[in-house]
Amino acid sequence: SSELTQDPAVSVALGQTVRITCQGDSLRSYYASWYQQKPGQAPILVIYGKNNRPSGIPDRFSGSSSGNTASLTITGAQAEDEADYYCNSRDSSANHVVFGGGTKLTVL
Amino acid sequence: EVQLVESGGGLVQPGGSLRLSCEASGFTFSSYWMHWVRQAPGKGLVWVSRINSDGSSTSYADSVKGRFTISRDNAKNTLNLQMNSLRAEDTAVYYCARDLASDGSGYLDYWGQGTLVTVSS
Repeated sequence: SSELTQDPAVSVALGQTVRITCQGDSLRSYYASWYQQKPGQAPILVIYGKNNRPSGIPDRFSGSSSGNTASLTITGAQAEDEADYYCNSRDSSANHVVFGGGTKLTVL
Repeated sequence: EVQLVESGGGLVQPGGSLRLSCEASGFTFSSYWMHWVRQAPGKGLVWVSRINSDGSSTSYADSVKGRFTISRDNAKNTLNLQMNSLRAEDTAVYYCARDLASDGSGYLDYWGQGTLVTVSS
């Protein structure tokens, strides 16, 4: 099965824009979804499909995709956005789902 | 309100078995694909298995294939994961999650609180 690769850690200044990326061959065929996870909590879906936000997710979260790379952008990062972020997608076989290794976002 | 509540976790010896359950409420359970995802202590999310809405199609991560079996009882709104031949590396919090995609794409919009499985002698 294919893999999804994420940078282990990213930092952003409060109020600035940050992009978190996810790379993998499966992303050439399938959209990713993105999850936010804070310590001791279950993950929360923040972006899915082409660029869809579940209700309750602030519009500062957006998604995009190009080639083998999916991106989660936070425009105007807030202190409460500090968390681990994971991408996932179907894998190239289409019969599995795969997660990226996660990116720890620090808001400075 | 959508709720997913896992149960069945605990301490088990290597080679042992455990059955996890996930009780769903607040939505039409029989209309959704469902998944199990696990997270070892201090590690990332790992997809384990999924099942389609009527239970006729299942798939598994290579690491658990042949040892774990996913099933569902739509009459009881319950998702199950039978785990056999458990190994130390199966130690993790196990989450059940609902897939909002109609094709099982893995857009997991609701998650349970997780149940901890510890495999140790």
